[in-house]
Amino acid sequence: GAGVSQSPSNKVTEKGKDVELRCDPISGHTALYWYRQSLGQGLEFLIYFQGNSAPDKSGLPSDRFSAERTGGSVSTLTIQRTQQEDSAVYLCASSLDRGLRDGYTFGSGTRLTVV
Amino acid sequence: AQTVTQSQPEMSVQEAETVTLSCTYDTSESNYYLFWYKQPPSRQMILVIRQEAYKQQNATENRFSVNFQKAAKSFSLKISDSQLGDTAMYFCALIQGAQKLVFGQGTRLTINP
Repeated sequence: GAGVSQSPSNKVTEKGKDVELRCDPISGHTALYWYRQSLGQGLEFLIYFQGNSAPDKSGLPSDRFSAERTGGSVSTLTIQRTQQEDSAVYLCASSLDRGLRDGYTFGSGTRLTVV
Repeated sequence: AQTVTQSQPEMSVQEAETVTLSCTYDTSESNYYLFWYKQPPSRQMILVIRQEAYKQQNATENRFSVNFQKAAKSFSLKISDSQLGDTAMYFCALIQGAQKLVFGQGTRLTINP
């Protein structure tokens, strides 16, 4: 597609429920990233996919968080047993190779609110 | 480890004025890339300008320019003739080698009419 697409745009869920956030990267971009942005804060790296390599999960805050990328394209970030501290904007980005020259292209994010 | 620091949480200027946003960073690498991203209320991060560390010439993009001081590890963004549409959060970011893009905490810039 023309840009990085994320859905849903907003999600309100009850504490303890599971949620799935979707990211559709730019066609041809081999790398895909998930970041979390808490209210008024910077971006916190969560997970990174590059081609067929094993994902870099070093940023996932707990084992309640997981992500997969099917067919080298669409990615789903899953948060199990959501907690109030999970409330944040979840941003997805993609890039050609490592994004060293051109940076990343971001989606508009999913705002998750846990009540 | 690489770190990026933005020491100005908020800034406010009048329309048409020039404003400079500060950013310092730390890295052990000699080759890396620096970026400024803009995040308007729509939440989408928009790439404003980028700088390759091995290039001494400061990058410019229309009204946006940077002052890259490699020895001081400083990378400031200057916005000339500021416009109301420049109101946004601005993030400084760094990437090197096999690492991920690392962001500063952001500066909230408000352009007043």
